[in-house]
Amino acid sequence: QVTLKESGPGILQPSQTLSLTCSFSGFSLSTSGMGVGWIRQPSGKGLEWLAHIWWDDDKRYNPALKSRLTISKDTSSNQVFLKIASVDTADTATYYCARMPYDYYAMDYWGQGTSVTVSS
Amino acid sequence: QIVLTQSPAIMSASLGERVTMTCTASSSVSSSYLHWYQQKPGSSPKLWIYSTSNLASGVPARFSGSGSGTSYSLTISSMEAEDAATYYCHLYHRSPPMTFGGGTKLEIK
Repeated sequence: QVTLKESGPGILQPSQTLSLTCSFSGFSLSTSGMGVGWIRQPSGKGLEWLAHIWWDDDKRYNPALKSRLTISKDTSSNQVFLKIASVDTADTATYYCARMPYDYYAMDYWGQGTSVTVSS
Repeated sequence: QIVLTQSPAIMSASLGERVTMTCTASSSVSSSYLHWYQQKPGSSPKLWIYSTSNLASGVPARFSGSGSGTSYSLTISSMEAEDAATYYCHLYHRSPPMTFGGGTKLEIK
């Protein structure tokens, strides 16, 4: 059974660095062709892809946010991390992680999401 | 950079009505990498249709997907109450690797 669960600080102040963790089970990021990504959704708005990391440590970023994003993984602990530097109120959103196998590049399993509010 | 435009943004349908929504890409894309997700309020998105026309596990047969090139669509043959949701199309492409459409919110009339 594949599951993913996001965790984060809940609330943070402008200019701080947002650190998110995706803990997963039921698959391994050491498996060839496997990937995990991060997507966010401001309240009442659409989905925005942020970043993705593959089994071979290849990393891809949304060009609009690339300078502020860092994605990494710990294969042994089945976790993927995302850091967003210099947050502001526009980063307030629900953050999801999702699994994406290499075959069709579809996000076949999603976490429940973690809500992040940036406020002074 | 490829942009996905979904239309309409909001639509309503009566129970039993046939429903079609579209996703238009700004350039031709591979149908293998064009997918649809269903999202209901307060829940995570769910993979609904992958590679243009393949139903994800558990998706009712009244749903179908089609398309090629720049034009893709999701169709419900007969609207049911549980189908009310927002549907997003999603593309994997070379660069940037991923993008979502703005979504179509489907309501019951």
